[in-house]
Amino acid sequence: QAGLTQPPSVSKDLRQTATLTCTGNSNNVGHQGAAWLQLHQGHPPKLLFDRGNNRPSGISERISASRSGDTASLTITGLQPEDESDYYCSAWDSTLNAWVFGGGTKLIVL
Amino acid sequence: EVQLVQSGGALIQPGGSLRLSCAASGFTVSTSYLHWVRRAPGNGLEWVSSIFSGGHTFYADFVKGRFTISRDNTRNTLYLQMNGLRADDTAIYYCAREDWQDWGQGTMVTVSS
Repeated sequence: QAGLTQPPSVSKDLRQTATLTCTGNSNNVGHQGAAWLQLHQGHPPKLLFDRGNNRPSGISERISASRSGDTASLTITGLQPEDESDYYCSAWDSTLNAWVFGGGTKLIVL
Repeated sequence: EVQLVQSGGALIQPGGSLRLSCAASGFTVSTSYLHWVRRAPGNGLEWVSSIFSGGHTFYADFVKGRFTISRDNTRNTLYLQMNGLRADDTAIYYCAREDWQDWGQGTMVTVSS
């Protein structure tokens, strides 16, 4: 199944703002939005935002999510060292009847 | 508290079979939307299969005809039966719930002779 498109890596300075993008099409991201997951080495994925852009309890308010058309975005303000991680987006594709994931973005905090 | 506790990962020869388990607590599998996702070494997350509360199942193309997702409501457990395993099925397999709200700890499946 075709996946969602994410930049492989994004580098930002400490305390700056990073915006990660996830591009799909009208059958997936543009249809029902995208969820965002954080994946630290050695740990299971953690949900940051669901497809409705709802933040689970315990997720920092420095992190926000939005969508414009077929592109979803995750914005992290005031970058901290602990934000350095891999971030994935995921959406249900109503034509493929399948979940599709992005290839992941490695966020590097300098 | 919701918990998903996985078991069943192993080293298995190509062509072999394995069943992964995901024991749930804090919610009922029969009324939940449940998934299997994997991460191969050096790769990203990859969806494998899902089962809706009504019992409908969906599979990624690369596992159709080889893997079967199921649940045991009396044991409150999700399963993934994997047959015809290939080297490229080597990965950490995770179970997850709903819109990715909760995840199991992952279990390693290694397919190698």
